Amino acid sequence: DQQVKQNSPSLSVQEGRISILNCDYTNSMFDYFLWYKKYPAEGPTFLISISSIKDKNEDGRFTVFLNKSAKHLSLHIVPSQPGDSAVYFCAASRAILTGGGNKLTFGTGTQLKVEL
Amino acid sequence: DVKVTQSSRYLVKRTGEKVFLECVQDMDHENMFWYRQDPGLGLRLIYFSYDVKMKEKGDIPEGYSVSREKKERFSLILESASTNQTSMYLCASRNPGAYNEQFFGPGTRLTVL
Repeated sequence: DQQVKQNSPSLSVQEGRISILNCDYTNSMFDYFLWYKKYPAEGPTFLISISSIKDKNEDGRFTVFLNKSAKHLSLHIVPSQPGDSAVYFCAASRAILTGGGNKLTFGTGTQLKVEL
Repeated sequence: DVKVTQSSRYLVKRTGEKVFLECVQDMDHENMFWYRQDPGLGLRLIYFSYDVKMKEKGDIPEGYSVSREKKERFSLILESASTNQTSMYLCASRNPGAYNEQFFGPGTRLTVL
């Protein structure tokens, strides 16, 4: 059962335009969401996150939007740059304030290609 | 900067061999994780460890075991490698807390022939 879904395996945008990557989740217990970026032959790197008490979080060119009622989040990159070409993973967890490691549940990823 | 290192970038083993994948982090993180990444399946959690000598099964533990004897080191063991364990293996670490992200190593591409 895929609790975190990224329905678009790939996305192609032109340099300078907006990239919008989407993610849906089914588990209503998730209350913390993260985006990771992954280049080939490298480990994923953390990009941006949002907790369920917010509906938007911005960091430079990257903005994440959360729609809790729709169980949907999206990552906006504007303007898109060729260096943004990578696989983007959405991840979700429960924000537990205990010593137990918060498990992340990942989506299947979206390959973004930013063309010149 | 947090650094998570993995013992090998590329590994080729034969079916039935015992395989050890090592992960070391230098930031005194309590929590460590092992994932595998496969095309179309994303990252799937194999095992994780809250602290030294503690371990918990993830979503796909079958065919794997782990060891955490020291805080900085988390080992993934394939007792008898099979071809369906050919994959990219990723280690991660983090500190406990509601909003702490995981930091990943560069990955080990394992091929089982």
